[in-house]
Amino acid sequence: AQKVTQAQTEISVVEKEDVTLDCVYETRDTTYYLFWYKQPPSGELVFLIRRNSFDEQNEISGRYSWNFQKSTSSFNFTITASQVVDSAVYFCALSETRSGAGSYQLTFGKGTKLSVIP
Amino acid sequence: ETGVTQSPTHLIKTRGQQVTLRCSSQSGHNTVSWYQQALGQGPQFIFQYYREEENGRGNFPPRFSGLQFPNYSSELNVNALELDDSALYLCASSLRGLAVPVGETQYFGPGTRLLVL
Repeated sequence: AQKVTQAQTEISVVEKEDVTLDCVYETRDTTYYLFWYKQPPSGELVFLIRRNSFDEQNEISGRYSWNFQKSTSSFNFTITASQVVDSAVYFCALSETRSGAGSYQLTFGKGTKLSVIP
Repeated sequence: ETGVTQSPTHLIKTRGQQVTLRCSSQSGHNTVSWYQQALGQGPQFIFQYYREEENGRGNFPPRFSGLQFPNYSSELNVNALELDDSALYLCASSLRGLAVPVGETQYFGPGTRLLVL
């Protein structure tokens, strides 16, 4: 069974600080995808990034960056120069092929609540 | 915004009642997945619909059922509501190609908050 662990339940940082959200996953598949979603208080999950298991290049998008390390089964997310608008719950998720089922459910971690204090 | 819409936004029911939640997928998407998110938890996969058929199911009892319509919109039905069914129900749409699906991005709607008293 696949599993996603986000060990940090809540993090508070002061505005403009950098913050890293950790994600560790377990899967027996060689082909899988990893995702990060942001959930603001409104409740809607906002897609941030999708990464496949064969692409270990780090990715940067503005103030966001992601570090994928297959050797440690981790897919960490860093926000540089945090802003109050970054306050939200962030979820890491894993998708793998369900052999025979033809579906691809997402397995989510429990989320990390980030509070950015002005 | 993703273009995925859900209705209603909030709902209050009593134990034993039945409820129907609705979802319109993003234009061009052919697959709908439903998730239940209890307070303080990550979303849990309920089931997925593709070409109007259930195409994968999580660890939820049969009183959770669904439909997908020819326009790819979907319904989630829950019978015999229990207090533990109180949660945020999220619908996600995605585009599945002809190959074996392995991780197409799912785009979520704003959810329906269900409270069972």
